[in-house]
Amino acid sequence: SQKIEQNSEALNIQEGKTATLTCNYTNYSPAYLQWYRQDPGRGPVFLLLIRENEKEKRKERLKVTFDTTLKQSLFHITASQPADSATYLCAPGRSGYALNFGKGTSLLVTP
Amino acid sequence: NAGVMQNPRHLVRRRGQEARLRCSPMKGHSHVYWYRQLPEEGLKFMVYLQKENIIDESGMPKERFSAEFPKEGPSILRIQQVVRGDSAAYFCASSSDRGEDYGYTFGSGTRLTVV
Repeated sequence: SQKIEQNSEALNIQEGKTATLTCNYTNYSPAYLQWYRQDPGRGPVFLLLIRENEKEKRKERLKVTFDTTLKQSLFHITASQPADSATYLCAPGRSGYALNFGKGTSLLVTP
Repeated sequence: NAGVMQNPRHLVRRRGQEARLRCSPMKGHSHVYWYRQLPEEGLKFMVYLQKENIIDESGMPKERFSAEFPKEGPSILRIQQVVRGDSAAYFCASSSDRGEDYGYTFGSGTRLTVV
């Protein structure tokens, strides 16, 4: 069955540095991969989508890569800020099917 | 546009009672998804509905749980004869037919506590 793995340990970084989060998946061939942000007590918020034929996608300070050979996506936040502190979820998907989510990686950006 | 509305935000039920969780999708969205989240756990898919139809219920327990998305009105997730293990946050999400392009819009969740 499909398995999605994200860094289980929290990531602590200093303000201004680049945060890199990893998402690996197995037993699946997604057509795209989505990233979401979740704050405590709130529902996830959609951030970015990258398709299988795209290597990299950028949106403001966010950058996502997608390597279908390695079955991995990397999510980067450049010039990180304390307001970026949250849990980040990845969700590989295929058209017509509901998304399954990874457990998420908790990011803490300290001043 | 109020986004996805879930109610109630908090629900307390005694063991054996029924819990009804409501979800009004975003305007223009016809796809609804229900997820369950336990503390320190990820979002677990339960059921995917599209107006009056259940598309995928593979994540929903066969016993005691049911979901509907009628032609008129909100989607309902119903849990009969609740047990302590049903205590969790239940999130509803909706999407348009272009869900893979624009992602899901989530509600703020219903926190169910079974006492």
